[in-house]
Amino acid sequence: RKEVEQDPGPFNVPEGATVAFNCTYSNSASQSFFWYRQDCRKEPKLLMSVYSSGNEDGRFTAQLNRASQYISLLIRDSKLSDSATYLCVVTYSSNTGKLIFGQGTTLQVKP
Amino acid sequence: ETGVTQSPTHLIKTRGQQVTLRCSSQSGHNTVSWYQQALGQGPQFIFQYYREEENGRGNFPPRFSGLQFPNYSSELNVNALELDDSALYLCASSWGDEQFFGPGTRLTVL
Repeated sequence: RKEVEQDPGPFNVPEGATVAFNCTYSNSASQSFFWYRQDCRKEPKLLMSVYSSGNEDGRFTAQLNRASQYISLLIRDSKLSDSATYLCVVTYSSNTGKLIFGQGTTLQVKP
Repeated sequence: ETGVTQSPTHLIKTRGQQVTLRCSSQSGHNTVSWYQQALGQGPQFIFQYYREEENGRGNFPPRFSGLQFPNYSSELNVNALELDDSALYLCASSWGDEQFFGPGTRLTVL
């Protein structure tokens, strides 16, 4: 079983749609949680950290459920520029530990 | 841009050859991590260097080796290249929690 699992998609949605990505992790000792965004043939970039209380950054909302070992990312009012691969990431250490990536979920927002 | 640079950007090698990839970390960052990203997959952790010492290693064979220099730049060396080594190799530098990725080196093994 993979340490971090994501539905690879692709998710094809129209502009303005709300889309949700889910991710599960296998190690209950996981300490830090992130969503990264990766554009085609580019490096991953941190989108947002994920906290147990949930957190929001504009149109993006991230949730963590430690009991279910489940992380989600909600994107509201999708833009064409949101088209990318979204990577779910966990670490076992809160300080420069190795990042454990999921396979990534591809989002394509269409006009 | 993150300030992390990698060279070369692209590289083509044949099976059995050796390759060295280079990474310059962001100013002030003393930790460099290397990742391998195969097509359609998420990055996989290779190893991490902290102040010139290896500080953790992923599930990669010994033919993957590395170095970190006093200026915190780093090298990844891969010996006896195999076809499955074809991938995007990413380095990431960090000081605190956040890791900043370079643009990667795309290695093709023929």
